[in-house]
Amino acid sequence: NAGVTQTPKFRILKIGQSMTLQCTQDMNHNYMYWYRQDPGMGLKLIYYSVGAGITDKGEVPNGYNVSRSTTEDFPLRLELAAPSQTSVYFCASSLDSPGAKNIQYFGAGTRLSVL
Amino acid sequence: KNQVEQSPQSLIILEGKNCTLQCNYTVSPFSNLRWYKQDTGRGPVSLTIMTFSENTKSNGRYTATLDADTKQSSLHITASQLSDSASYICVVGIRGGFKTIFGAGTRLFVKA
Repeated sequence: NAGVTQTPKFRILKIGQSMTLQCTQDMNHNYMYWYRQDPGMGLKLIYYSVGAGITDKGEVPNGYNVSRSTTEDFPLRLELAAPSQTSVYFCASSLDSPGAKNIQYFGAGTRLSVL
Repeated sequence: KNQVEQSPQSLIILEGKNCTLQCNYTVSPFSNLRWYKQDTGRGPVSLTIMTFSENTKSNGRYTATLDADTKQSSLHITASQLSDSASYICVVGIRGGFKTIFGAGTRLFVKA
């Protein structure tokens, strides 16, 4: 059971480039999330999905896009990368809403630098 | 404003000693409080989850307490091990939705 898998682990982008961060889970979870973690700060929610075909914005969605065509996959797209998007990105999943005491399972993260 | 404050920011202890990490929150309406352990270069892993009616929850050598009246929680680690070196993150869930507020974490270093 792999859990939540993120690729790539590391990436360096030039300003203005685009890329997609991949996330897949094999636990048949309905909810999936993307967070960013900046040094000395708590995780911030970028986007979330409550099921295939349904996505919504979190706290910091600007500069990002997502899609959820299947239950397993939840890719995060960065268009026109900016230095402010340098961060560590975490994908997570849960069977139900975390407000319902469900455990969130996190991937190992993608460390992104925009130079 | 919904906030989660953790203290101390970092802590160094000797192997075998106990320690307590603190979490104060101003989140409303409260749903649940979680403690996560995050090893360097890895994603957070859930340690405990407590709802409003629960005031203590244990997971091995980790014991979390919750005082919903004072909006405080603590994570007590007993007989620390080198593998306990990690960041410990307090997360508070908001009732009625999926939104959670993450603290910045306490960085724990356990020395031999």
